[in-house]
Amino acid sequence: EAGVAQSPRYKIIEKRQSVAFWCNPISGHATLYWYQQILGQGPKLLIQFQNNGVVDDSQLPKDRFSAERLKGVDSTLKIQPAKLEDSAVYLCASSLEAADTQYFGPGTRLTVL
Amino acid sequence: AQSVAQPEDQVNVAEGNPLTVKCTYSVSGNPYLFWYVQYPNRGLQFLLKYITGDNLVKGSYGFEAEFNKSQTSFHLKKPSALVSDSALYFCAVRANTGGFKTIFGAGTRLFVKA
Repeated sequence: EAGVAQSPRYKIIEKRQSVAFWCNPISGHATLYWYQQILGQGPKLLIQFQNNGVVDDSQLPKDRFSAERLKGVDSTLKIQPAKLEDSAVYLCASSLEAADTQYFGPGTRLTVL
Repeated sequence: AQSVAQPEDQVNVAEGNPLTVKCTYSVSGNPYLFWYVQYPNRGLQFLLKYITGDNLVKGSYGFEAEFNKSQTSFHLKKPSALVSDSALYFCAVRANTGGFKTIFGAGTRLFVKA
């Protein structure tokens, strides 16, 4: 069974630029999550989708971050404009349903200069 | 509100010795509890979970965890550590109602010395 796919693996941008990350969950998984993991901290949930609807985006900085999951399969997370403090690893995870075990992709390491 | 505490930033153990990585939690109602491991430049890898039933949960790579409701703890254990177990370990708690939001601890780095 293929795991969660993410791209790109690494991205370096200047502050105030925009960036987008892509995630393809495990086939058949209805729930998709985006997490932000700052160095030395545990993952923090940014947004959770159930199919193509948003379940929780309470910690998403909506003035600069946006995410969508069209057709309830793959998803994109965008940052515009980026700030220095956005430097982190962005992890995508998926689960069969919200109550099930989450499986993580390899992450995208973002460096904002 | 949910919270997870991993009181040790780093745990050092000699190869072949038993290891324990500590985790305490706070959540309303009955918790779902998880342990994940993270190797360098990799995503989080699921180790084991507790939902209900036997307090001792067995997982991947010889790891196990003991759920203690009275102490609100879910410590990760392994009888005999390997050098290859050296990694970052995360405990997580999820409420079993609502959106099932998962909260992760800050992580504990395990260093196993040969």
